[in-house]
Amino acid sequence: GAGVSQSPSNKVTEKGKDVELRCDPISGHTALYWYRQSLGQGLEFLIYFQGNSAPDKSGLPSDRFSAERTGGSVSTLTIQRTQQEDSAVYLCASSPSGGVTGELFFGEGSRLTVL
Amino acid sequence: AQSVTQLDSQVPVFEEAPVELRCNYSSSVSVYLFWYVQYPNQGLQLLLKYLSGSTLVKGINGFEAEFNKSQTSFHLRKPSVHISDTAEYFCAVSDSNDYKLSFGAGTTVTVRA
Repeated sequence: GAGVSQSPSNKVTEKGKDVELRCDPISGHTALYWYRQSLGQGLEFLIYFQGNSAPDKSGLPSDRFSAERTGGSVSTLTIQRTQQEDSAVYLCASSPSGGVTGELFFGEGSRLTVL
Repeated sequence: AQSVTQLDSQVPVFEEAPVELRCNYSSSVSVYLFWYVQYPNQGLQLLLKYLSGSTLVKGINGFEAEFNKSQTSFHLRKPSVHISDTAEYFCAVSDSNDYKLSFGAGTTVTVRA
């Protein structure tokens, strides 16, 4: 499809397990964002990739969280040793340019439930 | 970094009635402002944005918003809502020299017949 694709759409895991969430941005979009949406809260910025520049990881909540973007396209968000407070919807967005004067195109999200 | 406050978490409204969703942000010299909408089981999509120029911004589906610098507000309005406007609405702001958007907690609009 032409939009941002995220997988899995739903993931249930046990506390302490590792999970990987995948994002396929829109082809040609150089900027890629990960946000986290917790129940009753706004979207929380996690990480930003722009082209070949070093990513802005300032929003990652702990060292259990990491993300990479291969070939300037697909991105994977990894959460190690998951905790119950990691339960949330993880949203990926891409943009054709690096700034936010343009529109962010969001995927439908990956809902993570940690038991 | 900016902070965003959406003053209403839930707004019930009857079909064809007007609706206003309130949004305030922390002060900054220059900001960009956005409203995103999330329909049930869909991703967020841009409703409208203010970058510069006219303080009254028109978006898709008949929505409009007004930027008020003195009150640091960017309230969203629609004069007559439809059932299909039932969704969650997010206000977002960024400093004009920053690529990160700060989002509010969202306002759930439920339109009833």
